[in-house]
Amino acid sequence: QMQLVQSGPEVKKPGTSVKVSCKASGFTFTSSAMQWVRQARGQRLEWIGWIVVGSGNTNYAQKFQERVTITRDMSTSTAYMELSSLRSEDTAVYYCAAETTSRDGYNCWGQGTLVTVSS
Amino acid sequence: EIVLTQSPGTLSLSPGERATLSCRASQSVSSSYLAWYQQKPGQAPRLLIYGASSRATGIPDRFSGSGSGTDFTLTISRLEPEDFAVYYCQQYGSSPETFGQGTKVEIK
Repeated sequence: QMQLVQSGPEVKKPGTSVKVSCKASGFTFTSSAMQWVRQARGQRLEWIGWIVVGSGNTNYAQKFQERVTITRDMSTSTAYMELSSLRSEDTAVYYCAAETTSRDGYNCWGQGTLVTVSS
Repeated sequence: EIVLTQSPGTLSLSPGERATLSCRASQSVSSSYLAWYQQKPGQAPRLLIYGASSRATGIPDRFSGSGSGTDFTLTISRLEPEDFAVYYCQQYGSSPETFGQGTKVEIK
């Protein structure tokens, strides 16, 4: 079955970076698009950006443009989201989600990774 | 940026009742690229509807989506106990791919 497994929780100091991984299985990774979304406690979902796995093309929300990098490793079917210059407001659960058929919505989600930014 | 506004914020209903959730966009959503997700506490969102009206694989037919342009609706024909959750709409037709603020469907 389709599955995305994310890396474990992280605790980071302000000003540092975090890199979250998302390993795919059960679908053709190279034909998919992956989005990253975050959710602070009790808040709405917030879109960070996406990558078209096959081409490597990326698109980021302007809010994160200067601080985020989304990449993929096709040899291991893994996507990554790196966020730099962390601040306390970045404390949230970060999700990856795959669109396994073009334009048919993000139908496979990771379990989420809690990133805590605290001094 | 397309702003999505969901209403109501909270819907208090009993099992067996019909739920109607609204998602209004500040601009027309390209090609009806509008999705609905269900999220339960401590869980990741689950795709229910894509393309405004197509049910995702494995989603029961009591869930239906409709609408186009700027006005979209998710209808749950008869609420089951497992349907009490938060529902989000997302437009994925233009960047940034924004989410609504969510509608909580709670047991009355």
